[in-house]
Amino acid sequence: RKEVEQDPGPFNVPEGATVAFNCTYSNSASQSFFWYRQDCRKEPKLLMSVYSSGNEDGRFTAQLNRASQYISLLIRDSKLSDSATYLCVVKGVDTGRRALTFGSGTRLQVQP
Amino acid sequence: EAGVVQSPRYKIIEKKQPVAFWCNPISGHNTLYWYRQNLGQGPELLIRYENEEAVDDSQLPKDRFSAERLKGVDSTLKIQPAELGDSAVYLCASSLGRGGQFFGPGTRLTVL
Repeated sequence: RKEVEQDPGPFNVPEGATVAFNCTYSNSASQSFFWYRQDCRKEPKLLMSVYSSGNEDGRFTAQLNRASQYISLLIRDSKLSDSATYLCVVKGVDTGRRALTFGSGTRLQVQP
Repeated sequence: EAGVVQSPRYKIIEKKQPVAFWCNPISGHNTLYWYRQNLGQGPELLIRYENEEAVDDSQLPKDRFSAERLKGVDSTLKIQPAELGDSAVYLCASSLGRGGQFFGPGTRLTVL
């Protein structure tokens, strides 16, 4: 089983739709969680951190469920510019071994 | 503020040749990461530095890969000799402590 698993998609949604991605992680000791966005042939860019209490940034909402070991990203009112790959990142305890793990990403295509 | 700088952006070499990548992190960021990203996959950590110390190099193929960050600022990743399977995008990222990571544009390596 992969340490971080994501549905690769693609998720094809119309403009204005609400779309949600989930990510599951296997290491219960994981401490920090992030969502990154990566455009085609570009570097990943930090979208938002994920806090235990959940957090919102404009149209984006991230939530963490430690009991079930998954995190989610909700995008409301999708824009064409939201089309990208969304990477889930899980950070474990800083003992040095495999502290940072990326999922393979979920591809989103927003259509006009 | 300048972001993470990497060079070269593209490199094409023949197998068995050596290659080196350079990274200059965001000013003040003490943590530096080298990742490798294959097509359709998320970045995979190769090595992480805290200042000049390599604190996580468990995923670095040490028979052919080496890295250094002598003064705790910029860093070099070397492959010698390169193999066909080394073709990938090599990403450098930096962070301040345990904060989110900021990525450079990457070096796209093609081994022929």
